[in-house]
Amino acid sequence: DIVLAQSPDSLAVSLGERATINCKSSQSVLYSSNNKNYLAWYQQKPGQPPKLLIYWASTRESGVPDRFSGSGSGTDFTLTISSLQAEDVAVYYCQQYYGTPYTFGQGTKLEIK
Amino acid sequence: EVQLVESGGGLVQPGGSLRLSCAASGFTFSAYWMSWVRQAPGKGLEWVANIKQDGSEKYYVDSVKGRFTISRDNAKDAVYLQMDSLRAEDTAVYYCAREGYCGSSSCPVQHWGQGTLVTASS
Repeated sequence: DIVLAQSPDSLAVSLGERATINCKSSQSVLYSSNNKNYLAWYQQKPGQPPKLLIYWASTRESGVPDRFSGSGSGTDFTLTISSLQAEDVAVYYCQQYYGTPYTFGQGTKLEIK
Repeated sequence: EVQLVESGGGLVQPGGSLRLSCAASGFTFSAYWMSWVRQAPGKGLEWVANIKQDGSEKYYVDSVKGRFTISRDNAKDAVYLQMDSLRAEDTAVYYCAREGYCGSSSCPVQHWGQGTLVTASS
Protein backbone atom coordinates (compact mmCIF):
# COMPACT_ATOMS: atom_id res chain seq x y z
CA ASP A 1 0.00 0.00 0.00
CA ILE A 2 1.08 3.58 -0.65
CA VAL A 3 1.82 5.43 2.58
CA LEU A 4 1.33 9.20 2.72
CA ALA A 5 3.12 11.16 5.45
CA GLN A 6 1.99 14.71 6.09
CA SER A 7 4.00 17.38 7.84
CA PRO A 8 3.57 19.05 10.18
CA ASP A 9 0.88 17.32 12.24
CA SER A 10 -0.35 20.73 13.38
CA LEU A 11 0.28 24.29 12.34
CA ALA A 12 -0.59 27.72 13.75
CA VAL A 13 -0.49 30.65 11.35
CA SER A 14 -1.48 34.29 11.75
CA LEU A 15 -4.40 35.65 9.78
CA GLY A 16 -3.25 36.87 6.38
CA GLU A 17 -0.06 34.84 6.49
CA ARG A 18 0.91 31.85 4.35
CA ALA A 19 0.27 28.28 5.46
CA THR A 20 2.14 25.36 3.91
CA ILE A 21 1.37 21.68 4.38
CA ASN A 22 3.51 18.90 2.95
CA CYS A 23 2.63 15.38 1.84
CA LYS A 24 5.26 12.77 1.04
CA SER A 25 4.34 9.52 -0.68
CA SER A 26 6.14 6.20 -0.18
CA GLN A 27 6.11 5.73 -3.95
CA SER A 28 5.50 7.87 -7.00
CA VAL A 29 1.86 8.68 -7.79
CA LEU A 30 2.78 10.10 -11.19
CA TYR A 31 1.24 8.04 -13.97
CA SER A 32 3.67 8.24 -16.86
CA SER A 33 1.14 7.56 -19.63
CA ASN A 34 -0.79 10.78 -18.97
CA ASN A 35 1.76 12.71 -16.86
CA LYS A 36 -0.79 13.21 -14.09
CA ASN A 37 -0.18 13.01 -10.36
CA TYR A 38 -2.98 11.08 -8.66
CA LEU A 39 -2.96 13.21 -5.52
CA ALA A 40 -5.83 15.17 -3.95
CA TRP A 41 -6.22 17.51 -0.98
CA TYR A 42 -9.27 17.73 1.27
CA GLN A 43 -10.39 20.13 3.98
CA GLN A 44 -12.44 18.91 6.92
CA LYS A 45 -14.07 21.25 9.41
CA PRO A 46 -15.39 19.97 12.77
CA GLY A 47 -18.62 18.01 12.45
CA GLN A 48 -18.56 18.11 8.65
CA PRO A 49 -17.57 15.66 5.92
CA PRO A 50 -14.38 16.41 4.01
CA LYS A 51 -14.44 18.79 1.06
CA LEU A 52 -12.34 18.31 -2.08
CA LEU A 53 -9.98 21.24 -2.63
CA ILE A 54 -7.35 20.11 -5.13
CA TYR A 55 -7.00 17.13 -7.48
CA TRP A 56 -4.33 16.05 -9.98
CA ALA A 57 -2.02 17.64 -7.38
CA SER A 58 -2.63 21.18 -8.62
CA THR A 59 -6.12 21.53 -10.13
CA ARG A 60 -8.45 23.56 -7.94
CA GLU A 61 -11.97 22.16 -7.54
CA SER A 62 -14.76 24.43 -8.75
CA GLY A 63 -15.69 27.03 -6.17
CA VAL A 64 -12.50 26.72 -4.12
CA PRO A 65 -10.92 30.12 -3.42
CA ASP A 66 -7.75 30.84 -5.35
CA ARG A 67 -5.75 31.34 -2.14
CA PHE A 68 -5.59 27.53 -2.09
CA SER A 69 -2.99 26.00 -4.40
CA GLY A 70 -1.32 22.64 -4.82
CA SER A 71 2.08 21.79 -6.19
CA GLY A 72 4.58 18.96 -6.47
CA SER A 73 5.11 15.82 -8.48
CA GLY A 74 6.09 12.20 -8.02
CA THR A 75 6.41 11.72 -4.28
CA ASP A 76 6.47 15.23 -2.80
CA PHE A 77 3.50 17.55 -2.68
CA THR A 78 2.49 20.81 -1.02
CA LEU A 79 -0.78 22.53 -0.22
CA THR A 80 -0.40 26.28 0.20
CA ILE A 81 -2.90 28.76 1.56
CA SER A 82 -1.54 32.10 0.46
CA SER A 83 -3.34 34.33 2.95
CA LEU A 84 -4.98 32.53 5.84
CA GLN A 85 -8.59 33.40 6.61
CA ALA A 86 -10.49 32.52 9.79
CA GLU A 87 -12.71 30.10 7.89
CA ASP A 88 -9.66 28.06 6.83
CA VAL A 89 -9.30 26.57 10.32
CA ALA A 90 -9.68 22.85 9.65
CA VAL A 91 -7.86 19.57 9.28
CA TYR A 92 -6.31 19.01 5.87
CA TYR A 93 -5.70 15.60 4.30
CA CYS A 94 -3.86 14.47 1.22
CA GLN A 95 -5.02 11.32 -0.58
CA GLN A 96 -3.59 9.24 -3.37
CA TYR A 97 -5.90 7.63 -5.92
CA TYR A 98 -3.09 6.08 -7.95
CA GLY A 99 -3.89 2.61 -6.73
CA THR A 100 -6.22 0.87 -4.30
CA PRO A 101 -6.42 1.13 -1.39
CA TYR A 102 -6.75 4.89 -1.88
CA THR A 103 -4.83 5.94 1.20
CA PHE A 104 -4.95 9.23 3.09
CA GLY A 105 -2.28 11.10 4.98
CA GLN A 106 -2.73 11.33 8.75
CA GLY A 107 -4.01 14.90 8.56
CA THR A 108 -2.67 18.34 9.48
CA LYS A 109 -4.59 20.49 11.92
CA LEU A 110 -4.45 24.18 10.97
CA GLU A 111 -5.17 26.81 13.59
CA ILE A 112 -4.95 30.57 13.95
CA LYS A 113 -1.95 31.95 15.84
CA GLU B 1 -27.50 19.24 -6.46
CA VAL B 2 -25.65 16.04 -5.56
CA GLN B 3 -27.05 14.45 -2.42
CA LEU B 4 -25.84 11.35 -0.62
CA VAL B 5 -27.81 10.19 2.41
CA GLU B 6 -26.51 7.33 4.54
CA SER B 7 -28.59 5.18 6.84
CA GLY B 8 -28.28 1.96 8.79
CA GLY B 9 -25.68 2.88 11.37
CA GLY B 10 -26.05 2.05 15.04
CA LEU B 11 -24.79 0.03 17.97
CA VAL B 12 -23.87 -3.60 17.32
CA GLN B 13 -22.04 -6.18 19.39
CA PRO B 14 -18.61 -7.34 18.24
CA GLY B 15 -19.07 -10.24 15.85
CA GLY B 16 -22.38 -8.85 14.65
CA SER B 17 -23.52 -7.52 11.29
CA LEU B 18 -24.86 -4.27 9.94
CA ARG B 19 -25.88 -3.08 6.49
CA LEU B 20 -25.34 0.52 5.54
CA SER B 21 -27.31 2.12 2.73
CA CYS B 22 -26.68 5.28 0.76
CA ALA B 23 -29.41 6.94 -1.29
CA ALA B 24 -28.06 9.09 -4.10
CA SER B 25 -29.77 11.88 -6.01
CA GLY B 26 -28.99 14.86 -8.18
CA PHE B 27 -26.79 13.05 -10.68
CA THR B 28 -26.74 10.07 -13.04
CA PHE B 29 -25.87 7.43 -10.46
CA SER B 30 -24.96 4.69 -12.92
CA ALA B 31 -22.19 6.86 -14.43
CA TYR B 32 -19.99 7.05 -11.33
CA TRP B 33 -17.77 4.92 -9.15
CA MET B 34 -18.97 4.99 -5.54
CA SER B 35 -16.94 4.65 -2.35
CA TRP B 36 -17.20 4.21 1.38
CA VAL B 37 -14.74 6.08 3.61
CA ARG B 38 -14.68 5.87 7.41
CA GLN B 39 -13.37 7.95 10.27
CA ALA B 40 -12.88 6.58 13.75
CA PRO B 41 -13.74 9.02 16.58
CA GLY B 42 -11.09 11.72 16.74
CA LYS B 43 -9.00 10.02 14.05
CA GLY B 44 -8.18 10.49 10.38
CA LEU B 45 -9.86 9.28 7.22
CA GLU B 46 -9.63 5.70 5.98
CA TRP B 47 -10.79 4.62 2.53
CA VAL B 48 -12.78 1.39 2.89
CA ALA B 49 -14.03 0.23 -0.50
CA ASN B 50 -15.24 1.32 -3.92
CA ILE B 51 -17.35 -0.11 -6.72
CA LYS B 52 -17.40 0.46 -10.46
CA GLN B 53 -20.38 1.91 -12.28
CA ASP B 54 -21.81 -1.48 -13.27
CA GLY B 55 -20.69 -3.30 -10.12
CA SER B 56 -18.20 -5.45 -12.04
CA GLU B 57 -15.17 -4.26 -10.05
CA LYS B 58 -14.89 -3.86 -6.30
CA TYR B 59 -11.87 -3.00 -4.18
CA TYR B 60 -11.33 -3.09 -0.43
CA VAL B 61 -8.80 -2.06 2.17
CA ASP B 62 -7.09 -5.15 3.59
CA SER B 63 -8.53 -4.69 7.07
CA VAL B 64 -12.10 -5.34 5.84
CA LYS B 65 -11.51 -7.91 3.10
CA GLY B 66 -13.63 -11.00 3.64
CA ARG B 67 -15.84 -9.20 6.18
CA PHE B 68 -17.33 -6.25 4.28
CA THR B 69 -19.11 -6.30 0.92
CA ILE B 70 -19.89 -3.28 -1.21
CA SER B 71 -22.74 -3.45 -3.69
CA ARG B 72 -25.00 -1.14 -5.66
CA ASP B 73 -28.44 -1.06 -7.24
CA ASN B 74 -28.47 1.32 -10.18
CA ALA B 75 -32.25 0.98 -10.52
CA LYS B 76 -32.63 2.39 -7.01
CA ASP B 77 -29.69 4.85 -7.13
CA ALA B 78 -28.25 3.24 -4.03
CA VAL B 79 -24.99 1.82 -2.77
CA TYR B 80 -24.62 -0.51 0.19
CA LEU B 81 -21.99 -1.75 2.60
CA GLN B 82 -22.67 -5.10 4.24
CA MET B 83 -20.50 -5.36 7.33
CA ASP B 84 -20.08 -8.78 8.96
CA SER B 85 -17.90 -9.99 11.83
CA LEU B 86 -17.68 -6.45 13.16
CA ARG B 87 -14.83 -5.57 15.47
CA ALA B 88 -14.36 -2.77 17.98
CA GLU B 89 -11.86 -1.18 15.61
CA ASP B 90 -14.58 -0.83 12.95
CA THR B 91 -16.25 1.81 15.14
CA ALA B 92 -16.36 4.93 13.00
CA VAL B 93 -18.45 7.39 11.05
CA TYR B 94 -18.98 5.84 7.62
CA TYR B 95 -19.24 8.24 4.72
CA CYS B 96 -20.81 7.39 1.39
CA ALA B 97 -18.89 9.15 -1.35
CA ARG B 98 -19.10 9.73 -5.08
CA GLU B 99 -15.95 9.83 -7.11
CA GLY B 100 -15.48 12.37 -9.88
CA TYR B 101 -15.70 11.49 -13.54
CA CYS B 102 -12.29 10.90 -15.09
CA GLY B 103 -13.10 8.63 -18.00
CA SER B 104 -11.14 5.40 -17.73
CA SER B 105 -8.84 6.85 -15.08
CA SER B 106 -9.34 6.69 -11.33
CA CYS B 107 -10.68 9.80 -9.68
CA PRO B 108 -10.77 11.39 -6.23
CA VAL B 109 -13.91 11.59 -4.14
CA GLN B 110 -15.81 14.68 -5.20
CA HIS B 111 -18.95 14.50 -3.06
CA TRP B 112 -19.57 13.18 0.42
CA GLY B 113 -22.60 12.30 2.51
CA GLN B 114 -22.95 13.47 6.11
CA GLY B 115 -22.00 10.05 7.44
CA THR B 116 -23.56 7.44 9.71
CA LEU B 117 -22.04 6.28 12.99
CA VAL B 118 -21.32 2.59 13.52
CA THR B 119 -20.38 1.50 17.02
CA ALA B 120 -19.19 -2.05 17.63
CA SER B 121 -19.24 -2.52 21.38
CA SER B 122 -20.59 -4.85 24.02
